[in-house]
Amino acid sequence: DTGVSQDPRHKITKRGQNVTFRCDPISEHNRLYWYRQTLGQGPEFLTYFQNEAQLEKSRLLSDRFSAERPKGSFSTLEIQRTEQGDSAMYLCASSPPPGPLRLWPYEQYFGPGTRLTVT
Amino acid sequence: TQLLEQSPQFLSIQEGENLTVYCNSSSVFSSLQWYRQEPGEGPVLLVTVVTGGEVKKLKRLTFQFGDARKDSSLHITAAQPGDTGLYLCAGEANNAGKSTFGDGTTLTVKP
Repeated sequence: DTGVSQDPRHKITKRGQNVTFRCDPISEHNRLYWYRQTLGQGPEFLTYFQNEAQLEKSRLLSDRFSAERPKGSFSTLEIQRTEQGDSAMYLCASSPPPGPLRLWPYEQYFGPGTRLTVT
Repeated sequence: TQLLEQSPQFLSIQEGENLTVYCNSSSVFSSLQWYRQEPGEGPVLLVTVVTGGEVKKLKRLTFQFGDARKDSSLHITAAQPGDTGLYLCAGEANNAGKSTFGDGTTLTVKP
């Protein structure tokens, strides 16, 4: 399977604990995105990388959240001191460089997500 | 902040019926994507539209981008139970490379 993969698929943790999620994008996709989705809502943008550079971070992302993409391949999303409000599906997506005849759009391909439950 | 409003929020129909769902915004988007998502899974990209007035067809699904690139519609002909899912639209503004999602239309097709 050459799609976007995420690990773990499910995580249950107690309030106050730290958690880390991993995303492996599609090979040669230079952009990688993190989204959060709660029940009944669409995905909410958190941050994205182009290669190893973090280009944008949502203001919704508190200081407890940090994301890295050290070698421009896989990425990790860490949540420190988890709160019950962090319970959600965390989605990762990747997109290829745009084609030679068009500078955009960056079509995003999503992984299966990591379901986080904070008790 | 670019907001995308999707309607209806829920739609339940019988197999064989036709339906249209809508995605509207007051903002102009450089491109718009439609995704389908099943419970517990990530969204799956269906189509991207980039030109005002553009119409794309994918088997029984027809996607249209508004002339002003502020709205879009998805029409499904002869719906099947396998079409059941959450349909999300997402817009990219100013070639920003990131997308703003609507909250989706939950479609249920009953056999």
